[in-house]
Amino acid sequence: KAGVTQTPRYLIKTRGQQVTLSCSPISGHRSVSWYQQTPGQGLQFLFEYFSETQRNKGNFPGRFSGRQFSNSRSEMNVSTLELGDSALYLCASSTRTGGNSPLHFGNGTRLTVT
Amino acid sequence: GENVEQHPSTLSVQEGDSAVIKCTYSDSASNYFPWYKQELGKRPQLIIDIRSNVGEKKDQRIAVTLNKTAKHFSLHITETQPEDSAVYFCAASPNNAGNMLTFGGGTRLMVKP
Repeated sequence: KAGVTQTPRYLIKTRGQQVTLSCSPISGHRSVSWYQQTPGQGLQFLFEYFSETQRNKGNFPGRFSGRQFSNSRSEMNVSTLELGDSALYLCASSTRTGGNSPLHFGNGTRLTVT
Repeated sequence: GENVEQHPSTLSVQEGDSAVIKCTYSDSASNYFPWYKQELGKRPQLIIDIRSNVGEKKDQRIAVTLNKTAKHFSLHITETQPEDSAVYFCAASPNNAGNMLTFGGGTRLMVKP
């Protein structure tokens, strides 16, 4: 099976712009979670989607949003970019939500905000 | 919410020695504890996980122990090899939080040949 696919791999944006990141989960996986990874804050949970519904949301401002489509693919959007949004954004998929099922991560999208 | 602390932040061992990484968590409702390995420039990969109804789990050279009373869990790597060099993350998740994981700060393990 193909792994979790994230596009694009790299992005450079300017402060104030918005950005959309895409994630295609492993075939058959219905849960998609997003995490932000930075050297200072480590790995932090953004949100989880399951069957097109947001299941959980982390402590991030409303500028961070996401959605999931009927084929389980997910997108996350960050509006009004700030320098502090520079990070590696990781998507992870799982077969189910709850029940503590293993997460499979993609290679991430590295976002640089200048 | 959950808070996970991980120690040490860096660990250097000689090839063939054992390595131990320790984590503590705060939320007594947490019942799932995975460990991820992240090599430089690569994605985190699950190496082992343990659920709260189990005290210890082994997979070849890797083992994880869990002490629910003390709220701590540990990763043990025996007979370390240079390819074990990476950053290791512990995480915790309560049963009612879907797939939301709270991660520790990471441990950079360096195995010297």
